[in-house]
Amino acid sequence: EIVLTQSPGTLSLSPGERATLSCRASQSVSSNNLAWYHHKRGQAPRLLIYAASIRATDIPDRFSGSGSGTDFTLTISRLEPEDFAVYYCQQYGSSPRTFGQGTKLEIK
Amino acid sequence: QVQLQESGPGLVKPSETLSLTCTVSGGSINNFYWSWIRQPPGKGLEWIGYIYSSGSTTYNPSLKSRVTMSVDMSNNQFSLKLTSVTAADTAVYFCSRRGGSSSPEVTWGQGTLVTVSS
Repeated sequence: EIVLTQSPGTLSLSPGERATLSCRASQSVSSNNLAWYHHKRGQAPRLLIYAASIRATDIPDRFSGSGSGTDFTLTISRLEPEDFAVYYCQQYGSSPRTFGQGTKLEIK
Repeated sequence: QVQLQESGPGLVKPSETLSLTCTVSGGSINNFYWSWIRQPPGKGLEWIGYIYSSGSTTYNPSLKSRVTMSVDMSNNQFSLKLTSVTAADTAVYFCSRRGGSSSPEVTWGQGTLVTVSS
């Protein structure tokens, strides 16, 4: 199975700053089928990005995804208070689908 | 707008069977792929598997011997059964809907905590 490694484990930033989150795969992700999710405890995870770079429905344009093959990045251009949460990447190009361990984005 | 809600016992004894149901509202269960994902306390997300509305399934090999998923079209629900549970199966269990055969999990329930303990 494909192992996804996210970095950093925790990212401490202030509202208005730019966040850059990384997701590295142990082997190439088929068709760049890589998604990013936002998750707050007690809530449903929310799909942000799919196919590495396509924003999901109603996701603001401050979220962007990039990358291909084994290296992917989620960028949040200007952090809003509601953006502080845990972010997961997921590959859905190969079975079993796998998730990264998460990056916690916390307020500095 | 489709919504998903997990339900089932919050406490299961070791060696017994964990049974959860996901109720779909605001849309039909027909012609979609439905997934189960779990998150042990303090850990990341683990994909358990999915079922298509026709009843075809794909399970994570790590759990395949213990997992069964089913669909109840008449009640717009789908279900998860996990047998011979241990403390390692303690987790928040999420149900979700995929956008298509080659699509991520688009819509999720809020999750339900299942604790395995005697």
